[in-house]
Amino acid sequence: KAGVTQTPRYLIKTRGQQVTLSCSPISGHRSVSWYQQTPGQGLQFLFEYFSETQRNKGNFPGRFSGRQFSNSRSEMNVSTLELGDSALYLCASSPGRGGRLPDTQYFGPGTRLTVL
Amino acid sequence: GEDVEQSLFLSVREGDSSVINCTYTDSSSTYLYWYKQEPGAGLQLLTYIFSNMDMKQDQRLTVLLNKKDKHLSLRIADTQTGDSAIYFCAESELDYGQNFVFGPGTRLSVLP
Repeated sequence: KAGVTQTPRYLIKTRGQQVTLSCSPISGHRSVSWYQQTPGQGLQFLFEYFSETQRNKGNFPGRFSGRQFSNSRSEMNVSTLELGDSALYLCASSPGRGGRLPDTQYFGPGTRLTVL
Repeated sequence: GEDVEQSLFLSVREGDSSVINCTYTDSSSTYLYWYKQEPGAGLQLLTYIFSNMDMKQDQRLTVLLNKKDKHLSLRIADTQTGDSAIYFCAESELDYGQNFVFGPGTRLSVLP
């Protein structure tokens, strides 16, 4: 099975611009989560999508948004970029089984966003 | 809210055992995970343990869980230079979707 893929791998933007990141989950996985990783704040949860609906959301401003398509692929959008948005953005997919089984996440390689 | 703590650095000699520790605060944590992140890469799931278990062994990896003290550890036997990476402890609950909480990560350096 192919793993989680994220595009692009690297991105350079300037303050005030917007950016869209893409994530293709493992085939058959229905849940996609997004994380921001920075040296100062560590790994922080942004949001989770399941069956095209946002199921969970972390504590990020409304400039951060996402969506999921019917094929489970997900996009994350950041508008009005700030210098502090420079980070590694990680996407993780999981089967989304629910119930009493662990819904283990599998991570993609990440998109490194640099805001100048 | 939930919090997961880890020591930030650990150095060991090649061939020795490494023990990476983690503490968490959420008593309703159902699953606890260990992930590995190598430079420039995403996170790789190493192993997980259900909260009603005390121990889980998987080849060179041994996970110990002390639920009373909310303490989790990862032991890597016969540590190799390829084990050098950042190790993240994470916890999640059932019924809340995928709201994982990660620790800050422990940077393991394996010295020859």
